[in-house]
Order: sequence, then structure tokens, then C-alpha cells
Amino acid sequence: AQSVTQLGSHVSVSEGALVLLRCNYSSSVPPYLFWYVQYPNQGLQLLLKYTSAATLVKGINGFEAEFKKSETSFHLTKPSAHMSDAAEYFCAVSDNFGNEKLTFGTGTRLTIIP
Amino acid sequence: NAGVTQTPKFQVLKTGQSMTLQCAQDMNHEYMSWYRQDPGMGLRLIHYSVGAGITDQGEVPNGYNVSRSTTEDFPLRLLSAAPSQTSVYFCASRIQRESSYNEQFFGPGTRLTVL
Repeated sequence: AQSVTQLGSHVSVSEGALVLLRCNYSSSVPPYLFWYVQYPNQGLQLLLKYTSAATLVKGINGFEAEFKKSETSFHLTKPSAHMSDAAEYFCAVSDNFGNEKLTFGTGTRLTIIP
Repeated sequence: NAGVTQTPKFQVLKTGQSMTLQCAQDMNHEYMSWYRQDPGMGLRLIHYSVGAGITDQGEVPNGYNVSRSTTEDFPLRLLSAAPSQTSVYFCASRIQRESSYNEQFFGPGTRLTVL
């Protein structure tokens, strides 16, 4: 069975500061990993995905994530936080590239302090 | 394209009532799915479908029924609502193609309260 653990249900950072949202995965097979963002009262939107092509993955809105097999991690980062980044972020894992039954983490709510 | 649409946006039910949450997509996606989102639990898969006439259970199927008579529509039925079904429900769709990654597109959600 596959799973993801997101450390920290709430993270607050100052505008302009580094954003770091943590995700660790557990999978019996090479995983496919994803970060989704959910803005208030909206559905989920794909930020970025890891599908084994490159360990450092760049996504939309300046976010990126690095796949570290030795640490079983896929942390999301952004060098400089913007007020518009305030949202809830979900890490997700799938064990199959095409047949994507996603298993989601519990989410991290990101607050940006002006 | 309207993408994935869901109706209603909000619904309040009494225990024991039945209702259908509607989901439609205009992208000709074969794969459609329903998730529920609960605080501190992320999203959990309820049911999914890989094409018209084909459905299967996800992680939390009890209390919900689905059918897929057309490619466009994938309704979720609550036969006898219970307070434990109070949640936000998301529908999603994607292309069904085994050879490459296929992004899922999510609807805006239905917020359901069962009293």
C-alpha cells in the first residue's frame, strides 16, 4: 500500500520568505508523486508532478519539488512567498503512471504574513 | 470548454434522505472519479469509472452508488444520507491512456451537510 505524510497541517511564512512544505511517501514500487493546490472554495489544481524523468521538478507559480529516494521525500519549495500563494497544498502518490488512483496526504494550509 | 462542472454547490439534507450529486465534463475524458474531502484526512476516493458502463469502488464506497451511462456524466447517489457523509465532494476526470501521465481535472466541489 502506498501513502504520503505531510508534516505540518498549518505553515505560516512572511511575504518574500522561503516556502517549504514537507511530504514523505511510502510505496512498495517506484512512485509517481504530485503536488496539488486548492485555493479557497475551489477544486484542486496540479502544481507539479514527478514521473522519474528528473529528480528536480519545476511547476507553476514558481514552485518546485525535489524527489529524494534516500529520504523518501518530495518536499515543495518556493524561494519567495507571495500573498497569492495562500492556499491548501496536497501531496499525492500513485504507483501507476497511467492508471492513476491517487492517494492524497492530509494537506498543509499555507498562510502568508504581510 | 466548461471543464468539470458539479451541481449543486451546497446542499443540506436530513438523515435518511436521498439525493444525487451531479458531475459533468465536456472534455471527452474516459476516466471520472468522485472524492470526498474531510478535515485532516485529505481526499479519499469513493468510486471511479474508466468509461461508459464501467464503474468500480474506491477507498470509501459504502453508502454511495454510481453509474455511468454516458461519457459526459458521472452522478453520485446517496441512498440514505447519514451525518458521517457530511463532507465536500469533488468530481474529477482525465484521459484514460496507459502510456503516459494524464492530469486529473477537478470540479469546484459540492459542500454537503447531513443533519
